[in-house]
Amino acid sequence: GAVVSQHPSWVICKSGTSVKIECRSLDFQATTMFWYRQFPKQSLMLMATSNEGSKATYEQGVEKDKFLINHASLTLSTLTVTSAHPEDSSFYICSAGDPLLSDTQYFGPGTRLTVL
Amino acid sequence: SQKIEQNSEALNIQEGKTATLTCNYTNYSPAYLQWYRQDPGRGPVFLLLIRENEKEKRKERLKVTFDTTLKQSLFHITASQPADSATYLCALEGQAGTALIFGKGTTLSVSS
Repeated sequence: GAVVSQHPSWVICKSGTSVKIECRSLDFQATTMFWYRQFPKQSLMLMATSNEGSKATYEQGVEKDKFLINHASLTLSTLTVTSAHPEDSSFYICSAGDPLLSDTQYFGPGTRLTVL
Repeated sequence: SQKIEQNSEALNIQEGKTATLTCNYTNYSPAYLQWYRQDPGRGPVFLLLIRENEKEKRKERLKVTFDTTLKQSLFHITASQPADSATYLCALEGQAGTALIFGKGTTLSVSS
């Protein structure tokens, strides 16, 4: 089946710094990738849709200038949390689908971000 | 707006019994519905997809039903095992290529 990887698995940073998270589709091309955020004991909440070659589409309430998304190629999307604050601490998960394979989404293993 | 509810936050059953999880949705007519498993600190793993024109789908010990009139899906795990202990998420997708909307999940604990 399709595999999606994320890097890093976990990161701890100081308040005010920026953190970049990578999401890669390893064995298929993804024109669209999705970024989710999950707080403890909560559901996954969609943050943005990342489109290869164009601007990302952000969900209501998600600051596009704070969460920068770049979909540089058909296998890589990056999420940069700029000027991170403790309230940004969360579990960030990306997903991608391969329409040639199925209608399902394949999720990365997630990135645990802790902002001190 | 679209709303998905998974009725139970937690479900505790004994090994060998059948676990039944419920997912209800409102203000939505999804083309299909999906179930995922999520272990602590991990991303969701796809289990089953059922389309609006399918009433039931099976995969090994898993069975999913989809009632578009009731706007409800039931997820069954038969002959449950402690290894089935995890959080199970219901998700809706309107059309191919769109993001998933998730329920909060039901955490299943199977005791031996």
